[in-house]
Amino acid sequence: QQPVQSPQAVILREGEDAVINCSSSKALYSVHWYRQKHGEAPVFLMILLKGGEQKGHDKISASFNEKKQQSSLYLTASQLSYSGTYFCGTESGGSYIPTFGRGTSLIVHP
Amino acid sequence: DAGVIQSPRHEVTEMGQEVTLRCKPISGHNSLFWYRQTMMRGLELLIYFNNNVPIDDSGMPEDRFSAKMPNASFSTLKIQPSEPRDSAVYFCASSLEPGQRNTEAFFGQGTRLTVV
Repeated sequence: QQPVQSPQAVILREGEDAVINCSSSKALYSVHWYRQKHGEAPVFLMILLKGGEQKGHDKISASFNEKKQQSSLYLTASQLSYSGTYFCGTESGGSYIPTFGRGTSLIVHP
Repeated sequence: DAGVIQSPRHEVTEMGQEVTLRCKPISGHNSLFWYRQTMMRGLELLIYFNNNVPIDDSGMPEDRFSAKMPNASFSTLKIQPSEPRDSAVYFCASSLEPGQRNTEAFFGQGTRLTVV
């Protein structure tokens, strides 16, 4: 079953922050985040494993709340290069093969 | 390594025709995935191979779709007969066997399929 991402779209100015949420109706084992720039292939950002850990990748970080069955991606001081569609993928059985949501479109303006 | 290589990049075909999409995974990767991307459904996993063996094909929409991996360096996704609703971008991705330490899937550039 697909996770639900919110919001569907975000428009920011350079330097602003954004949060993208990902929630599932099932208990989660791992959450995967990918970014896809327009016309390009999705690129891996990070994975979070159950245990409520938080990870960071430059100014992009994420948290995983097992109890709430959700994950959030935090983009701090956004840059033009952050524009793209962000996909969360969730997995429940320990296979590490995610089912992806429909994506959140992020547009960063100068 | 050149990354995951897909061909063709674009395909336009008439309804009812057979379409074959091709993928060369990254050398050394033993897992291969075919995804379909549409606006309505996002990124859907169609089939997953491990060591050339199909492990999970529950995402294949119907019998018109078939996928093969005859060896570690080549896979095909075939649609026969094609229908307009099959129009989408099809991605192939490869990775080491999924596990706690091998979690990154590398995607090819995709094949944009248009069925008219």
